[in-house]
Amino acid sequence: QSALTQPASVSGSPGQSITISCTGPSSDVGGYNYVSWYQQHPGKAPKLMIYDVSNRPSGVSNRFSGSKSGNTASLTISGLQAEDEADYYCSSYTSSSTVFGGGTKLTVL
Amino acid sequence: QVQLVQSGAEVKKPGASVKVSCKASGYTFTSYYMHWVRQAPGQGLEWMGWINPNSGGTNYAQKFQGRVTMTRDTSISTAYMELNSLRSDDTAVYYCARVSSSGWFSDYWGQGTLVTVSS
Repeated sequence: QSALTQPASVSGSPGQSITISCTGPSSDVGGYNYVSWYQQHPGKAPKLMIYDVSNRPSGVSNRFSGSKSGNTASLTISGLQAEDEADYYCSSYTSSSTVFGGGTKLTVL
Repeated sequence: QVQLVQSGAEVKKPGASVKVSCKASGYTFTSYYMHWVRQAPGQGLEWMGWINPNSGGTNYAQKFQGRVTMTRDTSISTAYMELNSLRSDDTAVYYCARVSSSGWFSDYWGQGTLVTVSS
């Protein structure tokens, strides 16, 4: 399967909000509500931030939210903080397998 | 607490095989699927496949079919990923990641195992 499409980079200032998009075909993002988002700091394993499009695991700040419209899912981070600077990956279920986005590097200015 | 502890870094020559282990603790190993995901240096995450530790059933990404084998040993709560015919572009960090019981997402990840393929 082809990777889901994410912007290569986004940036924002502390306190601002940013949104990262994740686009795929109807066979994955558009076809299921099984989109998840992962945060990865350099040299670390990915960390689950959002699952099933818009659910937050316990312990994840409510500054992180997810949504989906058609074939595009989005991750929004409000009240940007320095520690949010990381790579973010979306992922979707598709036909008993998984596909990831190419990743988005978030820079907090 | 749930932990996935992977084996240490490996250096292999092109054409060789590598077997990475992932020891699970803190939960019932056979109740949760396990994904294997890799990440080449400076690149994104790439899904390789999953194993059902209960049945041993597997599903591999098309890219790796014929070259990857995922197995498990339920007696020691350990999953394995073996990759054959290694090439330089297989150099990557390999992760195991538990699939949640309530949806198709990974709630716990191993620390990663760096596999370097070099002559």
